[in-house]
Amino acid sequence: DGGITQSPKYLFRKEGQNVTLSCEQNLNHDAMYWYRQDPGQGLRLIYYSQIVNDFQKGDIAEGYSVSREKKESFPLTVTSAQKNPTAFYLCASSTWTEETQYFGPGTRLLVL
Amino acid sequence: AQKVTQAQTEISVVEKEDVTLDCVYETRDTTYYLFWYKQPPSGELVFLIRRNSFDEQNEISGRYSWNFQKSTSSFNFTITASQVVDSAVYFCALSAAEYGNKLVFGAGTILRVKS
Repeated sequence: DGGITQSPKYLFRKEGQNVTLSCEQNLNHDAMYWYRQDPGQGLRLIYYSQIVNDFQKGDIAEGYSVSREKKESFPLTVTSAQKNPTAFYLCASSTWTEETQYFGPGTRLLVL
Repeated sequence: AQKVTQAQTEISVVEKEDVTLDCVYETRDTTYYLFWYKQPPSGELVFLIRRNSFDEQNEISGRYSWNFQKSTSSFNFTITASQVVDSAVYFCALSAAEYGNKLVFGAGTILRVKS
């Protein structure tokens, strides 16, 4: 089955710790995205990548980092510089940036 | 100014009622795309529809229908004969060159359908 997988479903972060959220897709999509969702709010774009080894900052990139070494994978690292990381993180992919984005099941990050 | 406005924060209806979710957008581009997504309690966003700005035909898919009106910059979503399984958060989104062809989301509307 084609789709987008995210792991883990829940992630706990301690103060000063970096954590990495996984996103994998087998849809052969070129573009991948990371969004953050806070309660009662819409989605905000963190980073996106249109092609392997290239990525751009979205609206709220501070405190986050990404890599795109393979077409299928777009991991997101929440660094210790992100002071308010508690949120629901959604990964998406599309054939190209103008096309429909399809979303993964999300990762909920909580701070201990 | 909000690029995508979903003025209804929360709507509650009784099963079998019809319900319309409003979406108003803002862009100077003549070519753009509008989307609706459903987010059930599980959290995953489910794609419902994509409409380009040159296609103003209303669309119907089962109990779902969409009314696109460029004159009022609106792209409203109606669920006919609502069911409990329709309970979710619904997001309207816009993609336009003015915004870098990235999706701009509204704040979402929580729909609660009671049995």
